[in-house]
Amino acid sequence: DTGVSQNPRHKITKRGQNVTFRCDPISEHNRLYWYRQTLGQGPEFLTYFQNEAQLEKSRLLSDRFSAERPKGSFSTLEIQRTEQGDSAMYLCASSLIRTSGYNEQFFGPGTRLTVL
Amino acid sequence: QKEVEQNSGPLSVPEGAIASLNCTYSDRGSQSFFWYRQYSGKSPELIMSIYSNGDKEDGRFTAQLNKASQYVSLLIRDSQPSDSATYLCAVNGKSNYQLIWGAGTKLIIKP
Repeated sequence: DTGVSQNPRHKITKRGQNVTFRCDPISEHNRLYWYRQTLGQGPEFLTYFQNEAQLEKSRLLSDRFSAERPKGSFSTLEIQRTEQGDSAMYLCASSLIRTSGYNEQFFGPGTRLTVL
Repeated sequence: QKEVEQNSGPLSVPEGAIASLNCTYSDRGSQSFFWYRQYSGKSPELIMSIYSNGDKEDGRFTAQLNKASQYVSLLIRDSQPSDSATYLCAVNGKSNYQLIWGAGTKLIIKP
C-alpha cells in the first residue's frame, strides 16, 4: 500500500486557464476528501465523496470548482477559469468508514497550484 | 470565536525537553480529535487520534482529552530537532466526515 497519491505535484498556470488534479486514495478507503490550504492556515474543506457519491460540497466553493469520483476509485478536481486567488495547496485525503464512526483521514502529498 | 483554536506560536523548546501543545474547541458534541504534524511545504501527517477522556500514549507522544473543559493537548517527550514542524489540531464537526481545523502551532526544537 503506497498511501494516497496526487498528480501533478506542482502546477503553474495563467489566469483564466482550466486545471485538473487527480487523487488516488488508499485502495480500501471508501471516503475521499478535497481540501485547500493556504500559508498559515489549516486545511479548508472543499468536498467529499463516499464511494462514487459526492455527499457534501462547501458553500464557500465557487461553481468554477467541480469534482468527480467515477466508479468510487480515483477522483479529479477541476478548476475552471482560474484566478490568482486560487493559488494554494490542494490536498486530497481518504478514510475508511468504521462501525465506530471514527474517521481517521490520511493525506496525499498535495498539488501546489500557482496562478500567474 | 473560532471553532478550533490553537496558539500560533512559534513555541520554542530545548532539545530533550517536553513540548506541550494545546487546542480548544467550541462544539461540545465533538467526538473525535486528531493531531497532525505538517512540515513546511508538505502535507499533514496523522500522528495521534483520541476519542475518550484521559491520556493516550504512543511512543514519545501523549494526547490528552478533557471534554468537560473542551480542550485537547499533545505532549512530545524527549523533543528532537526533527519534531520541529507545525502541529494541527482537528476536531470532527457536526457530521462525522467533516474535520474542523485549527490554524496550527509552529514548534521549534532548539539543539
